[in-house]
Amino acid sequence: GAGVSQSPRYKVAKRGQDVALRCDPISGHVSLFWYQQALGQGPEFLTYFQNEAQLDKSGLPSDRFFAERPEGSVSTLKIQRTQQEDSAVYLCASTLGRVMRPQHFGDGTRLSIL
Amino acid sequence: TQLLEQSPQFLSIQEGENLTVYCNSSSVFSSLQWYRQEPGEGPVLLVTVVTGGEVKKLKRLTFQFGDARKDSSLHITAAQPGDTGLYLCAGAFRTNAGKSTFGDGTTLTVKP
Repeated sequence: GAGVSQSPRYKVAKRGQDVALRCDPISGHVSLFWYQQALGQGPEFLTYFQNEAQLDKSGLPSDRFFAERPEGSVSTLKIQRTQQEDSAVYLCASTLGRVMRPQHFGDGTRLSIL
Repeated sequence: TQLLEQSPQFLSIQEGENLTVYCNSSSVFSSLQWYRQEPGEGPVLLVTVVTGGEVKKLKRLTFQFGDARKDSSLHITAAQPGDTGLYLCAGAFRTNAGKSTFGDGTTLTVKP
């Protein structure tokens, strides 16, 4: 497809399990972002990549959160030892240029931690 | 500290009415974006404004950026049920390395 694709769309995990969320950005887009959106709130910045380089990870809530984009295309957000407060929608966005403004969002992964 | 405040939080109007929603900050934006988000979907970018005093129109939507670049408004003329959604503004500030910070949005419901 032509847009940003995220998988899975829904993920249910038990507290303490590890999860991995995938983002396929628009082909050729240099910048990739991960955001966390809690119910009733706006998206909160987690991390930013320019090609394969993670230039900003200041929004990652704890060292349980890890993101990578090894070949400058697909990105994975991994959460280890999940906790209930990790329940949220995780949004990925990409932008053609080297700017920190998200242009095209995927439809997100809704993560529920039981 | 919330850098960016949106108001009202909720707005419910009848089809055909006009409305304005606001996005305010005490800090100067280097750029500002407006998005619309529908349930179960990601935000869709509507406009980016970068110049103080700038006005952009997108069909029935008019976006205004304040002269001092601390506030913005979105005006919708003759609202339609298809305008229903969450309207988010996101600002980039020089103090946060240019990355966009989102407000919590205005939830708009347009009743037929």
